[in-house]
Amino acid sequence: GAGVSQSPRYKVAKRGQDVALRCDPISGHVSLFWYQQALGQGPEFLTYFQNEAQLDKSGLPSDRFFAERPEGSVSTLKIQRTQQEDSAVYLCASSSRLAGGLDEQYFGPGTRLTVT
Amino acid sequence: AQSVTQLDSHVSVSEGTPVLLRCNYSSSYSPSLFWYVQHPNKGLQLLLKYTSAATLVKGINGFEAEFKKSETSFHLTKPSAHMSDAAEYFCVVTSPGTSGTYKYIFGTGTRLKVLA
Repeated sequence: GAGVSQSPRYKVAKRGQDVALRCDPISGHVSLFWYQQALGQGPEFLTYFQNEAQLDKSGLPSDRFFAERPEGSVSTLKIQRTQQEDSAVYLCASSSRLAGGLDEQYFGPGTRLTVT
Repeated sequence: AQSVTQLDSHVSVSEGTPVLLRCNYSSSYSPSLFWYVQHPNKGLQLLLKYTSAATLVKGINGFEAEFKKSETSFHLTKPSAHMSDAAEYFCVVTSPGTSGTYKYIFGTGTRLKVLA
């Protein structure tokens, strides 16, 4: 079956522009996670949704970052007024478990964001 | 706070020889632990997971890991390396988030190189 998909796969933004990154989780998965992976580093947790509820946004680095999942399926990560330090790969993952942070997560291929 | 340390950023082995990728963790409770693999331009894939059952965990593609509480370690091993094992490997520990949720904490990764 289809896995987690993300779009766009690559995004170049000029500093100060707003960007929106999309995640399509595996159908029926209740848990959805966003991660930021800087070059040469491991992914870092950004935020977690259980269905449409954003239960944990403790990893969002600033108020320029905003995520939503209005119907409990597709999610969008929005970054306003992009800065060079936002350049990274943004990963989305989903899980069939309510306690998705305790079990296997299925990862998308990521969106590579470059801010110039 | 939970954390994970991957002791080697790069490991090189010859094809057919054993693989050892080291991971130490710190946790204030009994965590779940995972190993994920990331091939270039592909999403992270689960290799194996420890969730407080058997301490010796077998995963896909001949990999296994042993949970040693006394040493706070969860090293990944494979008896005989294949060329296709060349990839980035991440050790993950679970950590409490907000609102009763849990999240992944990733190590910085170990890049495995397999020499012909």
